[in-house]
Amino acid sequence: ELKVEQNPLFLSMQEGKNYTIYCNYSTTSDRLYWYRQDPGKSLESLFVLLSNGAVKQEGRLMASLDTKARLSTLHITAAVHDLSATYFCAGPLTGTASKLTFGTGTRLQVTL
Amino acid sequence: DSGVTQTPKHLITATGQRVTLRCSPRSGDLSVYWYQQSLDQGLQFLIQYYNGEERAKGNILERFSAQQFPDLHSELNLSSLELGDSALYFCASSYGLAGPNTGELFFGEGSRLTVL
Repeated sequence: ELKVEQNPLFLSMQEGKNYTIYCNYSTTSDRLYWYRQDPGKSLESLFVLLSNGAVKQEGRLMASLDTKARLSTLHITAAVHDLSATYFCAGPLTGTASKLTFGTGTRLQVTL
Repeated sequence: DSGVTQTPKHLITATGQRVTLRCSPRSGDLSVYWYQQSLDQGLQFLIQYYNGEERAKGNILERFSAQQFPDLHSELNLSSLELGDSALYFCASSYGLAGPNTGELFFGEGSRLTVL
């Protein structure tokens, strides 16, 4: 059973600051996904990382994947209030590519 | 808008009752997934269907069942409801016949179930 752990669970940061959210997973997985969820809303796909060393950037967010270390990171650069949300990482078991197992989520609060 | 449609958006019912949640996947997607999100359990995978057949099963209770119909829409049936079943139920879809299949899931807006 794939287990996905995120840290921190809660992050309060000031606007303009940088920070990184970490996602560790327990077994071999060749891909990793990041999602964003606003309170009470749906999950929005942010990044799809499909291979070791993959790096993707969108605005102030950058995600990377290290399959050997079983680690993905979501880096936030110069945070703004609009980034306040809960961020989830998720991974499938290699070879199944069916269900995604989600991490516990990191609730990000960006303050002025 | 992900293209995944779920109904109803909100549902309030009593313990012991039965409800049906409905999901229409994105046009062309063959796979439908059901997830339950609650405060204490997080986002839990329930079940996956692919082109009408059950493909994977997660932490789905025996009181819950699902199916995917020939037109690819899916229904999640929850019976003998308990207070603890109150949650946000998401449907997601993936694996369309056109384009690359990255395994990315596209989520609907969810159905919020409140059991009183």
